Amino acid sequence: NAGVMQNPRHLVRRRGQEARLRCSPMKGHSHVYWYRQLPEEGLKFMVYLQKENIIDESGMPKERFSAEFPKEGPSILRIQQVVRGDSAAYFCASSPQPGSAEELFFGEGSRLTVL
Amino acid sequence: SQQGEEDPQALSIQEGENATMNCSYKTSINNLQWYRQNSGRGLVHLILIRSNEREKHSGRLRVTLDTSKKSSSLLITASRAADTASYFCATDAVGSNYKLTFGKGTLLTVNP
Repeated sequence: NAGVMQNPRHLVRRRGQEARLRCSPMKGHSHVYWYRQLPEEGLKFMVYLQKENIIDESGMPKERFSAEFPKEGPSILRIQQVVRGDSAAYFCASSPQPGSAEELFFGEGSRLTVL
Repeated sequence: SQQGEEDPQALSIQEGENATMNCSYKTSINNLQWYRQNSGRGLVHLILIRSNEREKHSGRLRVTLDTSKKSSSLLITASRAADTASYFCATDAVGSNYKLTFGKGTLLTVNP
């Protein structure tokens, strides 16, 4: 049973470009959470998605960031017009139960570097 | 200070010694969890303690929770070089039980 798969593991973008980060949850999990980890910091909640629904995006920056979890395929975190401050590790987690942090399984993360 | 703050920020010990890390939080919680993160890697879940529990053990790990002081401690006994990592506590607040709030972590270095 494969774990949470994130790709790419490392991504380099220049300022103004777009970054797309993908997350495939564990098999049987339909709840996905995105967290961001700035250098030397803990993880910060960004968004909670179920299939085709955004449940809570209270941690998402108001502009340039969007997330989706379509009926088919992985969840996507999209950052438009990246800036240097977007450089961070972005982690995806999935759970089998709705609305519970008790059984979160984290991926290895996608590390975005903005030049 | 922020929810889920660990101290010390960094801890360096010798193999075989015990390591104790502390975490403080602000709001009422459902659960408190400890995670480990090796450099450049993802998070590994270590242990979960519920708000109505005071102590929990798992192998060489011992976690305590004091809800009156809003604090927790993680003890790693008989440390090994492989325990070198950052350790984070994470809480899920009452009424927001899917959202984890992490501290900044304690960087533990175990010297062989």
